[in-house]
Amino acid sequence: EVQLVESGGGLVQPGRSLRLSCAASGFGFNDYSMTWVRQVPGKGLEWVGVIRSNIFIGTTEYAASVKGRFTISRADSIGIVYLHMSNLKTEDTAVYYCVRGGGDGYRLDSWGQGTLVTVSP
Amino acid sequence: QSALTQEASVSGTVGQKVTLSCTGNRDNVGSYAVGWFQQFSHGAPKTVMMGDSLPSGIPDRFSGSKSGTTASLTISGLQPEDEADYYCSTWDYSLAVQVFGGGTKLTVL
Repeated sequence: EVQLVESGGGLVQPGRSLRLSCAASGFGFNDYSMTWVRQVPGKGLEWVGVIRSNIFIGTTEYAASVKGRFTISRADSIGIVYLHMSNLKTEDTAVYYCVRGGGDGYRLDSWGQGTLVTVSP
Repeated sequence: QSALTQEASVSGTVGQKVTLSCTGNRDNVGSYAVGWFQQFSHGAPKTVMMGDSLPSGIPDRFSGSKSGTTASLTISGLQPEDEADYYCSTWDYSLAVQVFGGGTKLTVL
């Protein structure tokens, strides 16, 4: 069974940094791209970025709203994908979901339960 | 404003067939498979359709299709437990980002 478990969320002040983790199990982690999607409570889904599998050379792409501030990395040996968030803004407050993606990453097929990040003074 | 356009709300009665739509352009819906995600209040999204492929465990009353730059999710034989928010998403190659629709709130009357 595919399992994705996010952790690392919490309350953080504007301008500070935070790192989210997503532990994957139940599938060949190396073979899949991993995506982060966020959702402001009560609002719609917003794509944050993707890190592709080694088959696609592990490339990354980011939404314009986070480019230059957020970085996605992965540790294939232990099945974890990270979202490094810096210079956080109040508008980054959201539930962050880790999502497995087939193909070059856009075929989102399995979601984690999410972790809440609150950016507030 | 979302890159993909979905109805804000759709309603139907138990047993009815309902179709949700997702309209984009040739750079996204017209070029890539579209995923559909179901989300109950206070829960994580779940993939209910990817292109025209039904994920394991999803009832076969769900089906997906696409015509040009509009994708559709059809629920044949609507059930009370289908009441949820539904989002569509795909890749946009000109923007090099994943795009989402604004979501459709499906109400079962």
